[in-house]
Amino acid sequence: SAVISQKPSRDICQRGTSLTIQCQVDSQVTMMFWYRQQPGQSLTLIATANQGSEATYESGFVIDKFPISRPNLTFSTLTVSNMSPEDSSIYLCSTVEGLGTEAFFGQGTRLTVV
Amino acid sequence: AQSVAQPEDQVNVAEGNPLTVKCTYSVSGNPYLFWYVQYPNRGLQFLLKYITGDNLVKGSYGFEAEFNKSQTSFHLKKPSALVSDSALYFCAVRDIRNSGYALNFGKGTSLLVTP
Repeated sequence: SAVISQKPSRDICQRGTSLTIQCQVDSQVTMMFWYRQQPGQSLTLIATANQGSEATYESGFVIDKFPISRPNLTFSTLTVSNMSPEDSSIYLCSTVEGLGTEAFFGQGTRLTVV
Repeated sequence: AQSVAQPEDQVNVAEGNPLTVKCTYSVSGNPYLFWYVQYPNRGLQFLLKYITGDNLVKGSYGFEAEFNKSQTSFHLKKPSALVSDSALYFCAVRDIRNSGYALNFGKGTSLLVTP
């Protein structure tokens, strides 16, 4: 099973600033995913990050707000730009193995914007 | 669209009693269904999955789930609950759009097991 290291685990940021979240997988994977979990809510997919191509964003999420990098098959970053209190959430990265029959998640980044 | 619904926000069970956390699904085609658990300040941990085969799926920590096609349900069960089972449980279904490997999650059910 894939092990995902995500950092930072938590942060408190000022509105208007940006935060970059890093996700490192212990093996090479084709696809990585970024999810958002707003307080008391379920997980919502932000985007799919494939190495060598631009990320694919879900409805309601745009690249200018959530730029994603995928420089190689083991690493990805998500930046939350120009933050507002509404961005306070847990952000999780994920990947799948094999035929996508199991997904693995990082520990999450708990972001608080003040 | 592939989706799952968890009708209960919270389930309360006494330790030692059986527990059930409900999930129903709405999919086109054959569903890939999953259960995950989230402990406070932790990421999601995989419990079990249904892809094909036996309708009764056994997973981690003594949990199991029954796939019921006629009722479009995938309820999570455990014969004897532990206080340490108290956590947030998510049902999920594989999203067939785009890459087909992302997951659509239910809203989550908070399980509280009391001593």
